[in-house]
Amino acid sequence: GNSVTQMEGPVTLSEEAFLTINCTYTATGYPSLFWYVQYPGEGLQLLLKATKADDKGSNKGFEATYRKETTSFHLEKGSVQVSDSAVYFCARGGTALIFGKGTTLSVSS
Amino acid sequence: NAGVTQTPKFRVLKTGQSMTLLCAQDMNHEYMYWYRQDPGMGLRLIHYSVGEGTTAKGEVPDGYNVSRLKKQNFLLGLESAAPSQTSVYFCASSVIRTRGGNEQFFGPGTRLTVL
Repeated sequence: GNSVTQMEGPVTLSEEAFLTINCTYTATGYPSLFWYVQYPGEGLQLLLKATKADDKGSNKGFEATYRKETTSFHLEKGSVQVSDSAVYFCARGGTALIFGKGTTLSVSS
Repeated sequence: NAGVTQTPKFRVLKTGQSMTLLCAQDMNHEYMYWYRQDPGMGLRLIHYSVGEGTTAKGEVPDGYNVSRLKKQNFLLGLESAAPSQTSVYFCASSVIRTRGGNEQFFGPGTRLTVL
């Protein structure tokens, strides 16, 4: 079937640490892939996206590369900040998005 | 532009009561969606619409009805609320992109509690 699996949290890091949140997907064909972020008490905001294999999406220091061979779209950031504390959702595109269950990131100073 | 707005922001219902959640978007988007968000479950699609006058079931449609009488509005109805429908409800809208990448824009959410 079509699904999105992302690593379970919570992920707890110190400021300036390196972040990786794993995401894999199953789908027929090559869907667009997305990372959304949800800050406390708010709706989801698009963080970055990639529309085809080998595309790299990037925004606010976050990056993710569309890997067709491993059906993955892992989110990375070289140096996290306290303000990055949020819930991150990986999603697979289509008529409607299919979301992973979310990964909570907590960054302490 | 206001983007996607939802009313109300909070609501408490008793079991068996009915209510309607309103979603409005001012971006002229064709597609609109209703999701529910529960702890540990991520976002699950309830219903969606690909255009005015059309609706379709998502992953968890039971207990909900929707209507899309105007392009800019998408209503979610609960005819007889149950405690299992306690959740945060998000509306979203998107454009149609023939080459993919049709990201969705989300509203701020409605927190519903059913007692």
